[in-house]
Amino acid sequence: AQTVTQSQPEMSVQEAETVTLSCTYDTSESDYYLFWYKQPPSRQMILVIRQEAYKQQNATENRFSVNFQKAAKSFSLKISDSQLGDAAMYFCAYTAYNAGNMLTFGGGTRLMVKP
Amino acid sequence: EAGVAQSPRYKIIEKRQSVAFWCNPISGHATLYWYQQILGQGPKLLIQFQNNGVVDDSQLPKDRFSAERLKGVDSTLKIQPAKLEDSAVYLCASSPGGRGFDTEAFFGQGTRLTVV
Repeated sequence: AQTVTQSQPEMSVQEAETVTLSCTYDTSESDYYLFWYKQPPSRQMILVIRQEAYKQQNATENRFSVNFQKAAKSFSLKISDSQLGDAAMYFCAYTAYNAGNMLTFGGGTRLMVKP
Repeated sequence: EAGVAQSPRYKIIEKRQSVAFWCNPISGHATLYWYQQILGQGPKLLIQFQNNGVVDDSQLPKDRFSAERLKGVDSTLKIQPAKLEDSAVYLCASSPGGRGFDTEAFFGQGTRLTVV
């Protein structure tokens, strides 16, 4: 069974600075996707960034980038120039290519942004 | 494009009562998912539909939970009878279907259920 682990229950960052959220996963699949979702107090999960396992290049979306280490099964999220609106729960998620996009989520990291 | 709609937003019931949640996915999305998110945890998949057929319900407590997706569009999730441990947010998501990178799942705002 696949598992996703987020070892940081809570992180804080000063506005305009950079923060990195950690995620590790376990799978025996070779083709899979990894995601970071943001969940604000409104509860709606919002996709932040995604990575295909077969791509060696790390995904980037504006201020968000990932460090994907396939051999180590590590998938961290870096948020640059942190903004107050980035404060939320962040969830790392995994799906195997043949899993019909059924997501396995980690336990989440609460990010606080200090003005 | 309208997003995934869920209702109600909040529900409080007593244990042993029944409750139903409704989800209307994004138009044209073939795949629909129900997730349970207990406070302080990540969401856990309960059931996945492809059109009106069940793809995976291995984590659905079938003695008390049921779900249906009539006509392959909207879906209802029912709990009967509810237990205290069912208190959670129930998230519905939909995706275009198929496999591969373009099958991003879009989530609704969820229903927060409190069982007292």
